[in-house]
Amino acid sequence: EPEVTQTPSHQVTQMGQEVILRCVPISNHLYFYWYRQILGQKVEFLVSFYNNEISEKSEIFDDQFSVERPDGSNFTLKIRSTKLEDSAMYFCASRPGGESEAFFGQGTRLTVV
Amino acid sequence: GQQVMQIPQYQHVQEGEDFTTYCNSSTTLSNIQWYKQRPGGHPVFLIQLVKSGEVKKQKRLTFQFGEAKKNSSLHITATQTTDVGTYFCAGVPHMYSGGGADGLTFGKGTHLIIQP
Repeated sequence: EPEVTQTPSHQVTQMGQEVILRCVPISNHLYFYWYRQILGQKVEFLVSFYNNEISEKSEIFDDQFSVERPDGSNFTLKIRSTKLEDSAMYFCASRPGGESEAFFGQGTRLTVV
Repeated sequence: GQQVMQIPQYQHVQEGEDFTTYCNSSTTLSNIQWYKQRPGGHPVFLIQLVKSGEVKKQKRLTFQFGEAKKNSSLHITATQTTDVGTYFCAGVPHMYSGGGADGLTFGKGTHLIIQP
């Protein structure tokens, strides 16, 4: 069964460093998303991406964040200068189109120290 | 912006008892989706409701979408230990309907804890 894959599963970084979280969405899907979940809290929408551009972003997704789909298969989330409060589980998700379910990856646990 | 409220935050039940979680949106929804997240896992899609007043069943799970398309509920009959996890509702605002590019707005989830 096709699945969304994320790497790495766990990333530890020093405050102020840049991190890139990687995702490979399901191949025939058109809509891509990043969500984050601070430990024990709800899943929060960060950004959606369609047709090679951002289609929607939340207030969390400030200038420190960026997304790219560099080669037609990978979908990356970059945090330029990490803060302690960026520590969370980051989930990538993709949807085939329309009002369909979102398929989530296993997540990358980001720990900023 | 759109808010999705979900109650209760935690629910302890004895195995075999029923469980219900409720979801309310501040705005009319195009559709609502329900996800389950096991401890340490990722959200897994359960179901999507689209029509006003819609009711769907999956074995012991019953999902309802309100007439005004602003609220929803998930009811589990005779809980089992495999039902443990956090149940999230996630709404799609009506204004974005059909686009598919919108992000889901998740409720805070209801943590279901089952005592054997």
